[in-house]
Amino acid sequence: DGGITQSPKYLFRKEGQNVTLSCEQNLNHDAMYWYRQDPGQGLRLIYYSQIVNDFQKGDIAEGYSVSREKKESFPLTVTSAQKNPTAFYLCASSIGLAGRTDTQYFGPGTRLTVL
Amino acid sequence: AQKVTQAQTEISVVEKEDVTLDCVYETRDTTYYLFWYKQPPSGELVFLIRRNSFDEQNEISGRYSWNFQKSTSSFNFTITASQVVDSAVYFCALSEAWGSNYQLIWGAGTKLIIKP
Repeated sequence: DGGITQSPKYLFRKEGQNVTLSCEQNLNHDAMYWYRQDPGQGLRLIYYSQIVNDFQKGDIAEGYSVSREKKESFPLTVTSAQKNPTAFYLCASSIGLAGRTDTQYFGPGTRLTVL
Repeated sequence: AQKVTQAQTEISVVEKEDVTLDCVYETRDTTYYLFWYKQPPSGELVFLIRRNSFDEQNEISGRYSWNFQKSTSSFNFTITASQVVDSAVYFCALSEAWGSNYQLIWGAGTKLIIKP
């Protein structure tokens, strides 16, 4: 079955540690996205990538880093510079044709808690 | 600036009632897209519908229907004969052009509670 997987489902981190959230898709989509969702809030874009080896900052990129070495994978690292990282993180992908709006499909999310 | 407003923070109805979720948007673009997503308690966002600005026909899919009105910049979502499984947070989103690419502007969501 085609889809997007995120791991782990729950992640606990001590203050000062970096953690990496995994996102993999087998939909053959070019574009991938990372969003952050805080309780009772909408989604805010952290980073997005339209193609392998290229990515762009979203609205709240500070304290986060990404890589896009493979089409299928778009891991997100939450660094110690992120002041308030406790949140629900959602990864999405879309076909990614430039110049048009594609539907984004989402993974199940990772809930990160800083202890 | 482009913006999506979902004024209803939370709606609670009894099963089998009809319920409408409001979405009002602002955009300067003449070509844009609107989306609805459902987020059940499990957390994963489920795509429901995508509509472009040139298609003002209402859409019906089973118990779900959408009313797109450019004159009032609204894209409302109605669930007919609601069921407990419809309980979720529903998000409306608007596409925004970033250079040659497009990103989504999200509303804050409406939490829908269907009581048995």
